[in-house]
Amino acid sequence: GQQVMQIPQYQHVQEGEDFTTYCNSSTTLSNIQWYKQRPGGHPVFLIQLVKSGEVKKQKRLTFQFGEAKKNSSLHITATQTTDVGTYFCAGSNGGSNYKLTFGKGTLLTVNP
Amino acid sequence: DADVTQTPRNRITKTGKRIMLECSQTKGHDRMYWYRQDPGLGLRLIYYSFDVKDINKGEISDGYSVSRQAQAKFSLSLESAIPNQTALYFCATSDAGTGFRDTQYFGPGTRLTVL
Repeated sequence: GQQVMQIPQYQHVQEGEDFTTYCNSSTTLSNIQWYKQRPGGHPVFLIQLVKSGEVKKQKRLTFQFGEAKKNSSLHITATQTTDVGTYFCAGSNGGSNYKLTFGKGTLLTVNP
Repeated sequence: DADVTQTPRNRITKTGKRIMLECSQTKGHDRMYWYRQDPGLGLRLIYYSFDVKDINKGEISDGYSVSRQAQAKFSLSLESAIPNQTALYFCATSDAGTGFRDTQYFGPGTRLTVL
């Protein structure tokens, strides 16, 4: 079945440093979604990427979808303490039984 | 989202007990899901339902069962709870018809402890 691998599992940074998490799929994806889960909270949708090579930005967050639609990344510029949490990618290969496969997530901690 | 509610929020039970976790949504979505979250293992899909008459197993359905009582309600049952079912359980909904296809809206979660 479809597998979505996400690295790193943990990342600790100093406030102001950049952060990147990577997502790789064993199969070509129809789309990829990114979620953020704050400590003690539930996952919250951030963005969806659909097109090959797509790049989207949300303030300090930049999301990329690979040309082959098998990988994706989330980059945060100049991290802040409010960025703390676990970031999940979730990919789908479309089809009639459309569902997402989540990566294991990257836990980001930020030292002020 | 407040539109997706889960009850109870916390539950402690003993091995062998049958328990039910409930999920309700007011988003009007057809699709509902149950996930389990364990540290380091991410979110794993237990069951999903694309409409009231549709129930599908996810990757870790053994030991669990579900019931879709209505479009808005999807319950998860542990027939005979065991300690390794101790986890955080999330219900989620999605709408296949929106522009952001199958964006998942999660409930607040139920923390289950099986002693």
